[in-house]
Amino acid sequence: RKEVEQDPGPFNVPEGATVAFNCTYSNSASQSFFWYRQDCRKEPKLLMSVYSSGNEDGRFTAQLNRASQYISLLIRDSKLSDSATYLCVVGNNDMRFGAGTRLTVKP
Amino acid sequence: DAGVIQSPRHEVTEMGQEVTLRCKPISGHDYLFWYRQTMMRGLELLIYFNNNVPIDDSGMPEDRFSAKMPNASFSTLKIQPSEPRDSAVYFCATVTGNEQFFGPGTRLTVL
Repeated sequence: RKEVEQDPGPFNVPEGATVAFNCTYSNSASQSFFWYRQDCRKEPKLLMSVYSSGNEDGRFTAQLNRASQYISLLIRDSKLSDSATYLCVVGNNDMRFGAGTRLTVKP
Repeated sequence: DAGVIQSPRHEVTEMGQEVTLRCKPISGHDYLFWYRQTMMRGLELLIYFNNNVPIDDSGMPEDRFSAKMPNASFSTLKIQPSEPRDSAVYFCATVTGNEQFFGPGTRLTVL
């Protein structure tokens, strides 16, 4: 079993739609959780950290469920510019990435 | 700061050749990570260092791969001998606080 698993997608949604991604992890001792965004042929960049109480940044909401060992990312009112691959990251000092979920937002 | 610097950006080599990838981390960041990304396997952690010391190299695929960090401003990932299945994008990343900063990656093609 992989340490961090994501649905690879692709997710194809119209502009304005709400889309949610989930990510499960196997190491219950993990303390750090993040979502990264990666554009085609570019390096990953931090989108947002994920806190135990859940957190929101504009149209993006991240949540952590320690009991079930998953994190989620919700994107509301999706924009064309949200098209990218979204990577969940779980770890302590090590940082383990999921394989990524590809999102395409269409006009 | 210029961010994480990797060189070369692209490398094309023939099977059996030695390949050396280089990374200059952001000054003051005390963790350095090497990742490999392929379509099939996604982004895999190969090895990471803390204060120039290798902490976990369990992701290094086999003995053909080696990594060093002789000082706080430089790290190398070496593949000897290279094989076609090593073709991938190799990223170096460093950490400050909770954020990892990635270099632009080295796209390696082994023919």
